[in-house]
Amino acid sequence: DIQMTQSPSSVSASVGDRVTITCRASQGISSWLAWYQQKPGKAPKLLIYAASSLQSGVPSRFSGSGSGTDFTLTISSLQPEDFATYYCQQANSFPVTFGGGTKVEIK
Amino acid sequence: QITLKESGPTLVKPTQTLTLTCTFSGFSLSTSGVGVGWIRQPPGKALEWLALIYWNDDKRYSPSLKSRLTITKDTSKNQVVLTMTNMDPVDTATYYCAHRQDAFDIWGQGTMVTVSS
Repeated sequence: DIQMTQSPSSVSASVGDRVTITCRASQGISSWLAWYQQKPGKAPKLLIYAASSLQSGVPSRFSGSGSGTDFTLTISSLQPEDFATYYCQQANSFPVTFGGGTKVEIK
Repeated sequence: QITLKESGPTLVKPTQTLTLTCTFSGFSLSTSGVGVGWIRQPPGKALEWLALIYWNDDKRYSPSLKSRLTITKDTSKNQVVLTMTNMDPVDTATYYCAHRQDAFDIWGQGTMVTVSS
């Protein structure tokens, strides 16, 4: 199985801050990576697929980059509605695996 | 507009079999490239992928749960069914179904399943 490791596990930030979350795969996954946002009590929402493609309707302050084993999700200017938990997921091979999550909290 | 909704029991006893149904609209599971997956999330924990079925009836399972899982589809009813045998309290979680094309792009609201005697 491909292990997905996210860092940090939590981050405290203020509105307007730039936030970067990292996801590392235990082996190369090309660009087969997705990012999801999850708010308490809600289903995950797809933000980014294929490492850097913005899902329709997602604000442009979200961006993804990387390939191979190292990936990042960047929120260019954190908004109040962005406080949530973020997960990466590899889609290179089965079994599908998710990272452990990064909680973005209010500073 | 694609929507999915999970249904099934909220409480099951240990050793029982769980049957969950995902009823969807806005797409056809006979369209090439389309899949429906199941993902679960124990309270306060991360997401865990369980199973996926494709338009061509190709089925994939989590290796750690494969012996306990069965996924099927009924294209005419727009439903995907997941069964999980021998339920245990550690299987307590919210269970989601999701439409998959490039990624899990649309999710159901989830259904909370508690395993307890």
